[in-house]
Amino acid sequence: QAGLTQPPSVSKGLRQTATLTCTGNSNNIGDQGAAWLQQHQGHPPKLLSYRNNNRPSGISERFSASRSGNADSLTITGLQPEDEADYYCSAWDSSLGAWVFGGGTKLTVL
Amino acid sequence: QVQLVQSGAEVKEPGASIKVSCKASGYSFTNYHIHWVRQAPGQGLEWMGIINPSGGSTTYAQKFQGRVTMARDTSTSTVYMHLSSLRSEDTAVYYCAREGGSGSSFDYWGQGILVTVSS
Repeated sequence: QAGLTQPPSVSKGLRQTATLTCTGNSNNIGDQGAAWLQQHQGHPPKLLSYRNNNRPSGISERFSASRSGNADSLTITGLQPEDEADYYCSAWDSSLGAWVFGGGTKLTVL
Repeated sequence: QVQLVQSGAEVKEPGASIKVSCKASGYSFTNYHIHWVRQAPGQGLEWMGIINPSGGSTTYAQKFQGRVTMARDTSTSTVYMHLSSLRSEDTAVYYCAREGGSGSSFDYWGQGILVTVSS
């Protein structure tokens, strides 16, 4: 099944801002937006944001999402060492009748 | 607090089947769907399907149709995922995750179960 497209890696410096992108189509991101998940090595993913920049309780305001057409992006400001992780986007695809994931972006904080 | 606790690691031979569990607590079990997502070693997340604990209805990813079955036991607040005809490519960590309200998909996750398929 077709998934969402994410760049494999992004590197940014400490305290800088990183913007991660996720591209889909009108049946998934363009329809209901994406959810963003953070995964540290050896741990389950954690939900950071869902549908048009809604953050679960306890998630830092440094994480914000936005959507433009069929693409979604996650912006992380004031990068910290603990932000180094894999980031995944996900969306419901109404054409496939399934949830789809991006391949993930490995964020390195230099 | 919401918790999803999964059963322990498994090692299976090719061709075998596996049944893994995910016990929910800290919320009303029948009010939230449960996803199953897997992650092969060094790879990304792959959605397998979802079950509605209220009525037991399921939706499976096309890739797994015919090989996967999801079920629930409301008396123990537990969902199960059964995968048959295992092959080496099924070696992965299998997660259950809750479909939260108001579109907050995957809001809580189990700890994951490593399933190794090897002869």
